[in-house]
Amino acid sequence: DSGVTQTPKHLITATGQRVTLRCSPRSGDLSVYWYQQSLDQGLQFLIQYYNGEERAKGNILERFSAQQFPDLHSELNLSSLELGDSALYFCASSVDSRGTDTQYFGPGTRLTVL
Amino acid sequence: AQTVTQSQPEMSVQEAETVTLSCTYDTSENNYYLFWYKQPPSRQMILVIRQEAYKQQNATENRFSVNFQKAAKSFSLKISDSQLGDTAMYFCAFMKQRGGSEKLVFGKGTKLTVNP
Repeated sequence: DSGVTQTPKHLITATGQRVTLRCSPRSGDLSVYWYQQSLDQGLQFLIQYYNGEERAKGNILERFSAQQFPDLHSELNLSSLELGDSALYFCASSVDSRGTDTQYFGPGTRLTVL
Repeated sequence: AQTVTQSQPEMSVQEAETVTLSCTYDTSENNYYLFWYKQPPSRQMILVIRQEAYKQQNATENRFSVNFQKAAKSFSLKISDSQLGDTAMYFCAFMKQRGGSEKLVFGKGTKLTVNP
């Protein structure tokens, strides 16, 4: 158990809908990262938050957004869902104290868009 | 931009034997970190081992060790005394070293099967 929690484990929804994925980092970790794992794109970085502020953006679609709350949990919002958004979404966290920190991953949320 | 290449999509090994997974990367950075993550059928991403580029000594974690060749930009993972529980996808990952943590750049993965 990495100490990173993600809810829900599985999500099945229809095209055009909006969903929210939730992540709680390890105790003491300030940075949260979101990654998408799909068959065709592999594991790709979406976005990073550090202590409530957006720090880095990767290949995140405009239909997707995220935020990190004062208690450091994070939410990834996916809207106007398309079939191609079906994937495993991981959250990872790190302490991020000196740029040398390892990222620990949550169990992921499997999103299926029908 | 950094890229990570894992040239072996699939590998298999007999239980108790040794296997080596390959990884090469491309970067212009001098300071960075390299990781191997394991993803078993449960889909959880589990850290296996980490290497700092400034360290000449290869990292080891129990049965797992790496062969880090900085000039060749190569970072292979050796698994000794393979166990059935080592069956998983293995991902090589690169991270730049900056003032704060950076994103991980992953390879496509190698599917390892350990046969009884």
